[in-house]
Amino acid sequence: DIQMTQSPSSLSASVGDRVTITCRASQNIRNYLNWYQQKPGKAPKFLIYAASSLQSGVPSGVPSRFSGSGSGTDFTLTISSLQPEDFATYYCQQTYSTPTTFGQGTKVEIK
Amino acid sequence: QVQLVQSGAEVKKPGASVKVSCKASGYTFTSYGLSWVRQAPGQGLEWMGWMSAYNGNTNYAQQFQGRVTMTTDTSTSTAYMELRNLRSDDTAVYYCAREDVVVVVGGTHRVFDIWGQGTMVTVSS
Repeated sequence: DIQMTQSPSSLSASVGDRVTITCRASQNIRNYLNWYQQKPGKAPKFLIYAASSLQSGVPSGVPSRFSGSGSGTDFTLTISSLQPEDFATYYCQQTYSTPTTFGQGTKVEIK
Repeated sequence: QVQLVQSGAEVKKPGASVKVSCKASGYTFTSYGLSWVRQAPGQGLEWMGWMSAYNGNTNYAQQFQGRVTMTTDTSTSTAYMELRNLRSDDTAVYYCAREDVVVVVGGTHRVFDIWGQGTMVTVSS
């Protein structure tokens, strides 16, 4: 199985900060990488697919302050200006091969 | 609107079985697959398996082979996940998630675009 490793496991940031989360795959997954956001007690919410394409469905379109990048084994999720509603746990997911696997999550907390 | 609504919380004893339902609405049920993902308390996300709502084909994660069965009832647009021989480490929130396939230049990508609200399953003697 492909192992997905996120860093950091948690971070503290202030509203308006730029935040970057890293996800590393144990082997080349090209750009078969998705990102999800999960708030406490809620189901995950789909954010980004194919490493850098924002989910644009109505009514859950993802704000443009979110962006993703990377290919191969190294990927990043960036929030350009952190908003109060962005405090959550973020997960990466590879869909290059079965079984699909998730990173362990990065918790973004209020500083 | 497009949504998946799951059945309520369950408490089971070790060795028992649990069957969680996931009712779809707002879209054509048979046009998408469904995956089941679980999350132990304070832990990350673990994929359990997938099934096609179109033809019932399944693909289970190796660690659940022999203990899990995923089925659908297309007449009610409902998917089911049954887990048998429950252990204490099966205590988790169980989610169903709709799988879409997005075509982009260079490939097709699986995405879990709609999730149920989750069903808490507690295994305790």
